[in-house]
Amino acid sequence: KAGVTQTPRYLIKTRGQQVTLSCSPISGHRSVSWYQQTPGQGLQFLFEYFSETQRNKGNFPGRFSGRQFSNSRSEMNVSTLELGDSALYLCASSSDVNYGYTFGSGTRLTVV
Amino acid sequence: DQQVKQNSPSLSVQEGRISILNCDYTNSMFDYFLWYKKYPAEGPTFLISISSIKDKNEDGRFTVFLNKSAKHLSLHIVPSQPGDSAVYFCAASDSSGGSQGNLIFGKGTKLSVKP
Repeated sequence: KAGVTQTPRYLIKTRGQQVTLSCSPISGHRSVSWYQQTPGQGLQFLFEYFSETQRNKGNFPGRFSGRQFSNSRSEMNVSTLELGDSALYLCASSSDVNYGYTFGSGTRLTVV
Repeated sequence: DQQVKQNSPSLSVQEGRISILNCDYTNSMFDYFLWYKKYPAEGPTFLISISSIKDKNEDGRFTVFLNKSAKHLSLHIVPSQPGDSAVYFCAASDSSGGSQGNLIFGKGTKLSVKP
């Protein structure tokens, strides 16, 4: 079956702009989590959605937001981009029956 | 403060030998632990997990050991193969809040297996 799909794979934005990243989970998976990976901080949890509700949130400023649709697809939005937001953004999905979260290949965001 | 620590940024082993990757954690509420492998330009790939009610879980060449009293877990790969060369991440989860989606990751250990 198809894995977790993230679009776009690469993105270049200018400081101050906003960006929306998309994640399509594995069919049947209702839990979607987002992570930010940077060389200095490693993988950091952003938020988790389950059945269109945010179930958990990490320690990121309010500029980072997300949502989940009824088909479990999820988007994350970053407003007023800063240079420090340059990172690999990873989405992971799970059936919520077990802990086998499957990750997508990520979206590489570069802010210039 | 890092709740999950992988103190060895890199590890080099000979093909056919054992690779041992270590991970320490500080939060006693963590009740599930996972190991992921990551290649460049790809997302992490789930390898193996262990619940806090167990002290060992085995899957083929991969075995994870959990020492709750020491707040320490390790991943053993036997025998190591060149294809195992990647960055390995330890992750932990506290499901007491009803969610397993908040994984806390270590900074990773880069494993190099030399032929």
